[in-house]
Parts: sequence; C-alpha cells; structure tokens
Amino acid sequence: DSGVTQTPKHLITATGQRVTLRCSPRSGDLSVYWYQQSLDQGLQFLIQYYNGEERAKGNILERFSAQQFPDLHSELNLSSLELGDSALYFCASSVHPGSTDTQYFGPGTRLTVL
Amino acid sequence: ILNVEQSPQSLHVQEGDSTNFTCSFPSSNFYALHWYRWETAKSPEALFVMTLNGDEKKKGRISATLNTKEGYSYLYIKGSQPEDSATYLCAFIHDMRFGAGTRLTVKP
Repeated sequence: DSGVTQTPKHLITATGQRVTLRCSPRSGDLSVYWYQQSLDQGLQFLIQYYNGEERAKGNILERFSAQQFPDLHSELNLSSLELGDSALYFCASSVHPGSTDTQYFGPGTRLTVL
Repeated sequence: ILNVEQSPQSLHVQEGDSTNFTCSFPSSNFYALHWYRWETAKSPEALFVMTLNGDEKKKGRISATLNTKEGYSYLYIKGSQPEDSATYLCAFIHDMRFGAGTRLTVKP
C-alpha cells in the first residue's frame, strides 16, 4: 500500500458523459501527478500539481481538466467522453516535484466508456 | 538517442536465471533516473533513484547501475523468481519521460 488513494476503483459510463476521478496523496506529499494507461500502451503523463498550482502539463486533452485543492487532494475531470478515453488512470504523489523525488502511485481508476 | 529507450521489450527466463536489461537515454543534461517495477493489475512501485555517474543501488536480488557519460543504466536481477515477473520501467521525472518498459516473465 503506497498511501495514495484513488476513487472510484472502477467507472463505467457512456460516450458524451462527464466523470470525476479523485486522488488523495500520501500524507505530507505536496505534488500530485496524473497518468493515463490505455490498452497496450505505456504510461502517459497528463498533468502535475504542486501545492495547489499546476506545474507541468503533458498530453492532456482539452476535454480533460484537473485541480488540486487546499487539502492537497486532486480531481481529474474528463468530459465529452469518447470510447478512446477508456483506460486506467493513475494518480501519483511525491513530497516535492524535484527530479529525485520518488513518486508513489495509487491503485488506479479503471474507466470504461461504452 | 532523443528519448528514453528500454531493451529488450520482453524477456523470458527460467527461475534461478540471472538477467539484466537496459535503459538508454541522451547523455547530455542528465537528471535523476528512476526505476519502477510494475506488476500486472497493480500500480508502478518505485525501485531506485539513480543520480550520480557510477551509482550502484541494490534492493535484495535487484540492483542497478548508472553510466551518465555513455547514457545508460542497467537493471540486474540475480536468481530470478516467478514473483519478479513484471514490467520494469525507467523514467526521468523532471520532464516526465518514461521508457516503454521491459516485460520480464520468469517461468517456474
């Protein structure tokens, strides 16, 4: 158990819908990262927050948005869902966003878009 | 090499074999290299953070070395066990570059 929690574990929804994925970082971690793993693909970095502020952006679609709240939990919002958005979404956290800071991954949320 | 490359893509070994695989990266402007183990149906788990040329880290039967001048890191597993079966990822966290991973299967 990494100490990072993600809810829900599974989510099934229809195309065109909007969902919110939630992540609680490890106690004391200020930085949160979101990743997507599509079928047979590697980890794709989406976005990073540090102490409430967006710090880095990866291959995140305009239909997706995220935020980190004052209590440091983070939410990833996915809207106008398409079949291709079906994937495993991981959240990770680290103490700081430095290059040597270890990232701890949550168990992931599996999103299925029908 | 512009990106982070891992080889081989997959590897099948027998229980008890020792094995190693490679992470290659641009040798200029090195930052810390991270190794992760990612078991099927689980989430990636941090193994090592490699920071200095010549670094050597060890955790049980798994060890890693780093050569920043020539741009590679090796991960070694001594006496592979079925529970070592996983995908091993290397990554640069400072700019979020991940290798595609080496998928290791250890047959009993």
